[in-house]
Amino acid sequence: DIQLTQSPSLLSASVGDRVTITCRASQDTSTYLAWYQQKPGQAPKRLIYGASTLQSGVPSRFSGSGSGTEFTLTISSLQPEDFATYYCQQLNSYPRTFGGGTKVEI
Amino acid sequence: QVQLQESGPGLVKPSETLSLTCTVSGGSISSHFWSWVRQTPGKGLEWIGYIYSNGNTDHNPSLKNRVTISMDTSRNQFSLRLTSVTAADTAVYYCVRHYAGDRGSFDYWGQGTLVIVSS
Repeated sequence: DIQLTQSPSLLSASVGDRVTITCRASQDTSTYLAWYQQKPGQAPKRLIYGASTLQSGVPSRFSGSGSGTEFTLTISSLQPEDFATYYCQQLNSYPRTFGGGTKVEI
Repeated sequence: QVQLQESGPGLVKPSETLSLTCTVSGGSISSHFWSWVRQTPGKGLEWIGYIYSNGNTDHNPSLKNRVTISMDTSRNQFSLRLTSVTAADTAVYYCVRHYAGDRGSFDYWGQGTLVIVSS
């Protein structure tokens, strides 16, 4: 199985901050990686797929980059509604696996 | 707009079988891959298995052979059966749709249903 390690697991930030979350894969996943946002009591919501393609309707302050084994999710200017937990997911092979999550808190 | 809705018992006894159904609206189940995912505080998000519209399935080897996923195209539903459950199977269970591109990230999710395994 491909293991995904996210860092940090907890990120304290303020509105307006630039935030970067890293996802490292135990094997090459090319660009077959997605990012999800989850708020308490809600299902995860896809933000980015193909490592860098923004889901329709997602604000442009979100961006993704990377390939191979290292990926990043960046929020250019953190907004109040962005405080949530973020997960990466690899799509290179089965079983599909997720990172452990990064909680972004105030 | 595609919508998914999980249904099934919220409480299952240890050693019994967990059964959930996902009803899809706003789109046909006769296309795309469809999966079950669960979430626990301890293990995070875990992919359980998928079914494709032609009936092909696959599941996470970590669940041994306890998983069966089936579909009913006439009702636009797919289902999960997980046998011999233990407390470790207590989780929020989501049904999801795979996006047709990018090797199938999960573009639509149900709201999730909490299943507790307890006597």
